[in-house]
Amino acid sequence: AQSVAQPEDQVNVAEGNPLTVKCTYSVSGNPYLFWYVQYPNRGLQFLLKYITGDNLVKGSYGFEAEFNKSQTSFHLKKPSALVSDSALYFCAVRDGDYGGSQGNLIFGKGTKLSVKP
Amino acid sequence: DTGVSQNPRHKITKRGQNVTFRCDPISEHNRLYWYRQTLGQGPEFLTYFQNEAQLEKSRLLSDRFSAERPKGSFSTLEIQRTEQGDSAMYLCASSNPGLAGGSTDTQYFGPGTRLTVL
Repeated sequence: AQSVAQPEDQVNVAEGNPLTVKCTYSVSGNPYLFWYVQYPNRGLQFLLKYITGDNLVKGSYGFEAEFNKSQTSFHLKKPSALVSDSALYFCAVRDGDYGGSQGNLIFGKGTKLSVKP
Repeated sequence: DTGVSQNPRHKITKRGQNVTFRCDPISEHNRLYWYRQTLGQGPEFLTYFQNEAQLEKSRLLSDRFSAERPKGSFSTLEIQRTEQGDSAMYLCASSNPGLAGGSTDTQYFGPGTRLTVL
């Protein structure tokens, strides 16, 4: 069965410092991996995805994520955090060996990122 | 604005009433998904359409839940005989897999409908 784990409920970072939000996954086939961000009382906004190719994926707002197949991880990173990055971050996985109706997103529980000035 | 829209944004109802939510996907997106999100959890998949065909509905939470997409454009999610446990945020997403199909497409989410059952 597919699953996603976000081991940290909350990550606290000082503005200007690098940030990392952790994600590990489990799928039986090839993983398609996604990061979304959610602001209070809002829907999810797409940040980036890994399908294939370069293990380092760059996305919106200066975020990037590194796919590590041996560690089954897809951690989200940013070199310099902003106060406005404070939000809820969700990692999601899809089994790439399933198409159509079985290729739905499985989400982690989310990690709250708090960036202090 | 050409994003996914959902109406209403908020719905308060009494236990036992029926509610219906609407989702308008991004134009030309032929896939449409419904998710439910409860407090402190990530979105949980409910059902999925490709055009007007409902290709996955086994994840609907009970037979009180149903969804339609009659013309392959907007979709509705109905909950009959609501219960307090149905209180949650209901999210809609759409995507366009293109000619290749498959599952590499990105899902774009609407703002959600927050349901409160009293």
